[in-house]
Parts: sequence; C-alpha cells; structure tokens
Amino acid sequence: DQQVKQNSPSLSVQEGRISILNCDYTNSMFDYFLWYKKYPAEGPTFLISISSIKDKNEDGRFTVFLNKSAKHLSLHIVPSQPGDSAVYFCAASNYGGATNKLIFGTGTLLAVQP
Amino acid sequence: DTGVSQDPRHKITKRGQNVTFRCDPISEHNRLYWYRQTLGQGPEFLTYFQNEAQLEKSRLLSDRFSAERPKGSFSTLEIQRTEQGDSAMYLCASSFLGGEGAFFGQGTRLTVV
Repeated sequence: DQQVKQNSPSLSVQEGRISILNCDYTNSMFDYFLWYKKYPAEGPTFLISISSIKDKNEDGRFTVFLNKSAKHLSLHIVPSQPGDSAVYFCAASNYGGATNKLIFGTGTLLAVQP
Repeated sequence: DTGVSQDPRHKITKRGQNVTFRCDPISEHNRLYWYRQTLGQGPEFLTYFQNEAQLEKSRLLSDRFSAERPKGSFSTLEIQRTEQGDSAMYLCASSFLGGEGAFFGQGTRLTVV
C-alpha cells in the first residue's frame, strides 16, 4: 500500500527553467510534508517542508505547494541549476501524532541540462 | 558536530553471517531513526528511538534484526543470519522531538553474497 506516490520516475529540464516535481498521498492523517534531495551514494538531504495548515512555503529557489483537497503537493525549483540534478523524494508524516516517522515516495530523478 | 555519522560506509558479507552497523546522531537530537532503502525505492522506516527507548518497530523488521540505543546516544543495528534480500542501503537519521525534519547520515551499503 503506497501511501505516498511520485508517479514521474524522471524529469528533464533546461537550466534556468522551472522544475515541477509532483507528489500524491492517500492518508488523510498526514499533516506534515517534506522534500528531500539525494545524490548517489549519499543520504537524503532535507530541502523544505510544509504543514497541512498552510498551502505554500517558500525558501529561496524552492517553493512547496500543498492542495489538501486533492491530496497533492508539488515542489517548484526556479531557476533550475545543473547542481539540482538529483533524486527528489517526497515524504509525509503524522507530525501531530506520537511519532514523526516519515513515509517516502519512490522518488523522481531530476536532470537539469546546461 | 558535523551531522549524522554512520559506520561502516560499505559492508560485504556472506549469507548467514551477522553484521552490525553503528550510527552516531547529531548530539542534541533525542530521536533516532533507522530506514532501509533498496534500488528504485524510497527509504522505508524500520524503527525509531526516543532517547534510549525503542518506541516503534516496522513489520519489515524481522526477528533477525535488532536495534539498540544504550544511554540514548549512538545506536547499533544488528542483522543476524543475513540473507541476500537484506542487501540494501541502511540509513540512520536523527531529529528533535517535534522537529521540522529528520537529518540523515550517508548510510551503510550492505551487500550479502
């Protein structure tokens, strides 16, 4: 039962353009969402998060949008840079509960072409 | 403190052998997590500790797996009688209780031959 889904295994964009990575979830109890970036042979690196009480959170070039009614979130990277090329994981947790273990999607490989 | 540290980075073992991995979390963090990641998948939760107490274990964690966090500091993950299906990246993460997100180490790549 995949509670967090990233339906696009890969995405290719040109340097300077916008990258949009998408994520869907099924568990309505999730109330906190995070994006991680992962380079090969390294652990995931935290990028940005959003609480379910918000619909947008911005940090520099990274913006996360949350649509609770659609159970959908997206990560926008503007402008995209070659160093952004990595696997991006969406994750969700029951932040308000007794645990904040993370449930991850399967990831989207982003390739930013120079 | 430079972050979450895991040792070893790579481990190759023969099927049936026991292996143990170590994780040193960020020193102020009271929560410590273990995840496992296989090719093409996202990290999957295995277990977590708050201080020295192990609070939750995933169904993925069979009886061959055991994790400890003595004194609420570093943690060890032991796999007994390894199987080829145990081959994966084992990731450790730490966080504050109620913190914004977990911070991951670089992982231990286990290969069972």
